Amino acid sequence: QKEVEQNSGPLSVPEGAIASLNCTYSDRGSQSFFWYRQYSGKSPELIMFIYSNGDKEDGRFTAQLNKASQYVSLLIRDSQPSDSATYLCAVTYRSGNAGNMLTFGGGTRLMVKP
Amino acid sequence: GAGVSQSPRYKVAKRGQDVALRCDPISGHVSLFWYQQALGQGPEFLTYFQNEAQLDKSGLPSDRFFAERPEGSVSTLKIQRTQQEDSAVYLCASSLAYGRAPQISYEQYFGPGTRLTVT
Repeated sequence: QKEVEQNSGPLSVPEGAIASLNCTYSDRGSQSFFWYRQYSGKSPELIMFIYSNGDKEDGRFTAQLNKASQYVSLLIRDSQPSDSATYLCAVTYRSGNAGNMLTFGGGTRLMVKP
Repeated sequence: GAGVSQSPRYKVAKRGQDVALRCDPISGHVSLFWYQQALGQGPEFLTYFQNEAQLDKSGLPSDRFFAERPEGSVSTLKIQRTQQEDSAVYLCASSLAYGRAPQISYEQYFGPGTRLTVT
């Protein structure tokens, strides 16, 4: 059973702080890692992806991947109230076909308080 | 450009009815995925198409669920004899790239979803 685990939260941070969201995965064959943001009643929106160990930065967002520890994280700098949402971690695995479907964690709800 | 579109956005069905959910992927996207999202949970994979070929249907929960993509573009997810446990949001996603090389991008972009309520 391939599993992706996230703390459901809520994670509450003050405006302007750094929000740190974490995700662990069970299968060492995991290939690609994605962070999606989902506002209440909306569909998931891709915000970051990372394939290699280390950090990847895009604006206020930094994704960190540690394959040895099977751990991926998302840092949000200068958090804004508009960042309040559920953040979904998703992983693809090598498979017999070319599909590479996403396996999602349950999501972490982030609340940024003004 | 236009994103993934889905219709209807909301569907209420009486138990036992058949429903059909439509997905229009981003133009030129080869790969199309269907996911089911229950309230408070992450999406779960249902099925995958590469062009018109359904290459993986391992996530379909029962033989009441059927999906097709006959011309390699628009896809339809059909649920026969709906049950209350089918109530969920059904998400469609499309992706430009496919393949097994590790550095190929596999980003998937989601449509707005169809919220199905079975009464």
